[in-house]
Amino acid sequence: EADIYQTPRYLVIGTGKKITLECSQTMGHDKMYWYQQDPGMELHLIHYSYGVNSTEKGDLSSESTVSRIRTEHFPLTLESARPSHTSQYLCASSVQTGSAFFGQGTRLTVV
Amino acid sequence: QKEVEQNSGPLSVPEGAIASLNCTYSDRVSQSFFWYRQYSGKSPELIMSIYSNGDKEDGRFTAQLNKASQYVSLLIRDSQPSDSATYLCAGALLTGGGNKLTFGTGTQLKVEL
Repeated sequence: EADIYQTPRYLVIGTGKKITLECSQTMGHDKMYWYQQDPGMELHLIHYSYGVNSTEKGDLSSESTVSRIRTEHFPLTLESARPSHTSQYLCASSVQTGSAFFGQGTRLTVV
Repeated sequence: QKEVEQNSGPLSVPEGAIASLNCTYSDRVSQSFFWYRQYSGKSPELIMSIYSNGDKEDGRFTAQLNKASQYVSLLIRDSQPSDSATYLCAGALLTGGGNKLTFGTGTQLKVEL
């Protein structure tokens, strides 16, 4: 059973607000990922981390930022939300590449 | 060109038939491969992993890896309506900082009654 948690599950927020999407895992995994996915569309990697203090941009350019101060925690921040940021954000973790476990996702709507 | 390629489908099969899902990969992808299932509105879940050339069976699922052809497949025997989902192929992308999981676009499978 995978233990990776995302909060909130749903978020509706106004344009210009700062938001932080939380992701935590209790499995001690080194690698963590953030993906963005629109309904019926493919997964896009926006951030990943190999370990503490190690973060890199993914394949899809994103205005969001991430931090990895603790192994178990990988939050994603949007300084100023816009309607174009409306999407589902999925967090995942893995010990080695592959065998990744996903959180439940955060469905973000910016109005 | 994507590092992991899949046909987006939809692939429609009758109930009880064998569903065959295919994936090709580039030279930049290492020899570790994974199949994920994603139901509509849900997160992907890992269903199979394969690391060696050949077949790997788990219940109704069989993963096949052909390194010479750079080809990975997933067979689902006795397909059920509950198997209707999007199936994502993933591989470990070789990068300077280590391996990074990379996904194909996914193949939508519809199992019809």
